[in-house]
Amino acid sequence: DTEVTQTPKHLVMGMTNKKSLKCEQHMGHRAMYWYKQKAKKPPELMFVYSYEKLSINESVPSRFSPECPNSSLLNLHLHALQPEDSALYLCASSQDPGRLNTEAFFGQGTRLTVV
Amino acid sequence: EDKVVQSPLSLVVHEGDTVTLNCSYEVTNFRSLLWYKQEKKAPTFLFMLTSSGIEKKSGRLSSILDKKELFSILNITATQTGDSAIYLCAVQSNTGNQFYFGTGTSLTVIP
Repeated sequence: DTEVTQTPKHLVMGMTNKKSLKCEQHMGHRAMYWYKQKAKKPPELMFVYSYEKLSINESVPSRFSPECPNSSLLNLHLHALQPEDSALYLCASSQDPGRLNTEAFFGQGTRLTVV
Repeated sequence: EDKVVQSPLSLVVHEGDTVTLNCSYEVTNFRSLLWYKQEKKAPTFLFMLTSSGIEKKSGRLSSILDKKELFSILNITATQTGDSAIYLCAVQSNTGNQFYFGTGTSLTVIP
């Protein structure tokens, strides 16, 4: 299994809603990432988890709250989002963070629309 | 500040042409440079480069890294319409575990 699975594929939510994005991998990877990608722009790093611990938060607003319940799962909890948060949210994983020479595998993303 | 810049931003070529995509970077504690192809959703992995001057090749695609001049190129020969995509360059540093993406090059191959 060399897949990173994200659910849901599409999500429309109101500005007062609370929702969660889910990401799962069974490759034994110990680093997991959330990226945000706006149309015609490169992915922007949001969070990095290494060994289930948050290692990087790229100054993301608190309305985005990541969670890593175990080594295979990564969630992104959303609350009180703004329309400008509409984007493709990509999850990725890579092997043991201590190892050199490791690529990141990406999920298909969740297309989020905030209305 | 870490920076990854790709050029050109977009490119339109005819089938059969050869293209060269560029990626330059300024990253603290460089670990590796990666090329991805993104069509509709997920970026898909193409190459990972860690050493200067060693060409990586896969079919019509090849890539090389110059760690002295801090850049990499991705070559695509005999382009096909299926090569139309955004090509992303990402650099990983040893500090933290993040992958920083460049601006991307949008390639369109017309029949």
